[in-house]
Amino acid sequence: GAGVSQSPSNKVTEKGKDVELRCDPISGHTALYWYRQSLGQGLEFLIYFQGNSAPDKSGLPSDRFSAERTGGSVSTLTIQRTQQEDSAVYLCASSSWTAGWNSPLHFGNGTRLTVT
Amino acid sequence: GESVGLHLPTLSVQEGDNSIINCAYSNSASDYFIWYKQESGKGPQFIIDIRSNMDKRQGQRVTVLLNKTVKHLSLQIAATQPGDSAVYFCAEIPYSSASKIIFGSGTRLSIRP
Repeated sequence: GAGVSQSPSNKVTEKGKDVELRCDPISGHTALYWYRQSLGQGLEFLIYFQGNSAPDKSGLPSDRFSAERTGGSVSTLTIQRTQQEDSAVYLCASSSWTAGWNSPLHFGNGTRLTVT
Repeated sequence: GESVGLHLPTLSVQEGDNSIINCAYSNSASDYFIWYKQESGKGPQFIIDIRSNMDKRQGQRVTVLLNKTVKHLSLQIAATQPGDSAVYFCAEIPYSSASKIIFGSGTRLSIRP
């Protein structure tokens, strides 16, 4: 497809279980972002990948959160030992670095994670 | 998704009227600005962007105005339609770091028939 694709669209998991969220960015986009959107809150930055550079992990809330990006394309966000406060919508976005700073982020529709 | 922005400021507009949504940005070093629209259950959708060397940019039914003196950004929607109902928020991107994007908290636009 032409847009950013995220899967699953919804995920319900039990507290303490691990989850993996997947993001397929727009083809050719070198920058990839993960954000979290909680109830009544704005977008919370989690992690940023740019090409082959070391990712900016400064937004990850704890060491239970990790992300990787394989082959400069697909990314997976992993949450280990999930807690109820992890319940949120996890959004992925990508942008084209070739246009420099004037490159809007294009978002997927997110994964709604519910931890019971 | 539909849980976004339960306590957001709301702008109620009559269908067919023009809407103006405002955003105050915080970083004087920001040099690129984007407006997004987020409908219930969906991810943010790009509407229009503007660089800091411009003060106005027009798209289809939308205009963005940038006032760097007072660090203010506005989105004008002409002839508002029911499909414009959504949460709108601005984003500012500083030249120094593409990861340090600051998103506004958003405004909910409600259309009266």
